[in-house]
Amino acid sequence: KAGVTQTPRYLIKTRGQQVTLSCSPISGHRSVSWYQQTPGQGLQFLFEYFSETQRNKGNFPGRFSGRQFSNSRSEMNVSTLELGDSALYLCASSLGGATNSPLHFGNGTRLTVT
Amino acid sequence: DAKTTQPPSMDCAEGRAANLPCNHSTISGNEYVYWYRQIHSQGPQYIIHGLKNNETNEMASLIITEDRKSSTLILPHATLRDTAVYYCIVRVATYGGATNKLIFGTGTLLAVQP
Repeated sequence: KAGVTQTPRYLIKTRGQQVTLSCSPISGHRSVSWYQQTPGQGLQFLFEYFSETQRNKGNFPGRFSGRQFSNSRSEMNVSTLELGDSALYLCASSLGGATNSPLHFGNGTRLTVT
Repeated sequence: DAKTTQPPSMDCAEGRAANLPCNHSTISGNEYVYWYRQIHSQGPQYIIHGLKNNETNEMASLIITEDRKSSTLILPHATLRDTAVYYCIVRVATYGGATNKLIFGTGTLLAVQP
């Protein structure tokens, strides 16, 4: 079974631009979560989606947003990029719903803001 | 803040068992213990999880103390490819499903030596 797929793998943007990252979950998984990883802050939760609805949100500014489509694929968007947004963005999927299934992570999108 | 405490680093000889400790003294009755590892430039990889019983799978064993305040991840025969940062996480699970808002600490860097 294919794992979580994130595209693109690497991205370079300049300050003030916006960016969209894509995530395809494992087949059959309906829950998708996003995390940001930086050397200073470590792994931090951004948000979680299940059946196209945001279930939980981390402590990030409104410039960070996401959505989930009916096929469970998800995108996250960062607007008005800042240098501090440079990070590895990780997507994770799980069965979701009334299950306690583990999260499985993709290998991330490395975003560099210059 | 993370609800777990782990040593920042450990060494292990190749072929020997690696025993990684984790303290979670404030764990609640509805919280599972999860272990993930992250190899450089990859996403976190799910290893194992448990509630109160010891668990074993093809990757590792998880030993949880009777009072559930600490646990140990055991890699029975460590190889060089097991060099990674290992994260111990507690995850709330309810009848409505588990939260996907995982709170990662700084983990343990396990260095397997040849």
